[in-house]
Amino acid sequence: SAVISQKPSRDICQRGTSLTIQCQVDSQVTMMFWYRQQPGQSLTLIATANQGSEATYESGFVIDKFPISRPNLTFSTLTVSNMSPEDSSIYLCSVADLHTEAFFGQGTRLTVV
Amino acid sequence: EDQVTQSPEALRLQEGESSSLNCSYTVSGLRGLFWYRQDPGKGPEFLFTLYSAGEEKEKERLKATLTKKESFLHITAPKPEDSATYLCAVRDSGAGSYQLTFGKGTKLSVIP
Repeated sequence: SAVISQKPSRDICQRGTSLTIQCQVDSQVTMMFWYRQQPGQSLTLIATANQGSEATYESGFVIDKFPISRPNLTFSTLTVSNMSPEDSSIYLCSVADLHTEAFFGQGTRLTVV
Repeated sequence: EDQVTQSPEALRLQEGESSSLNCSYTVSGLRGLFWYRQDPGKGPEFLFTLYSAGEEKEKERLKATLTKKESFLHITAPKPEDSATYLCAVRDSGAGSYQLTFGKGTKLSVIP
């Protein structure tokens, strides 16, 4: 199974600022995803991070708010821009290949004040 | 659109009291049904993958089963350390589809 390191593990940020979350995998993976988990809710897919091209965003999520980079097959970043209290959530990085299960990082707990 | 519904939302069991969690799903074609365990403040931890109706998998006190419409996670003689939220997810067989659709989870509490 892949080992995923996600940083930071938690942060408290001022509204209007931005936070970049990093996801590092110990092996090359085909697919990397970013999820959001709001308090008491399940996981919602934000986007698929594509290596060398623009991320693919799900309905309700836009690049200006959640820019994503994936410069290689083991690393990705998610930025939460111009934050508001509604962005307070756990953000999770996930990796998968077509015929394997998905693995998750430990998550970044973001609180916006 | 893929849908996953888990029940109950919360379940309290006495230690040793066996029970089952349910996951009902709707997909155009199933490429896998996944069970995860999530502890507070942590990312989901993979438990099982099931691919076809009739398939069963076991791990310690947990057993997962699959039919064409639902999956069950059976917990036999649970211990307090089994307390967690259990998430069910499906992967659709659509072309190029890798991502998962998650249910809202069942929060299990096992009381000593």
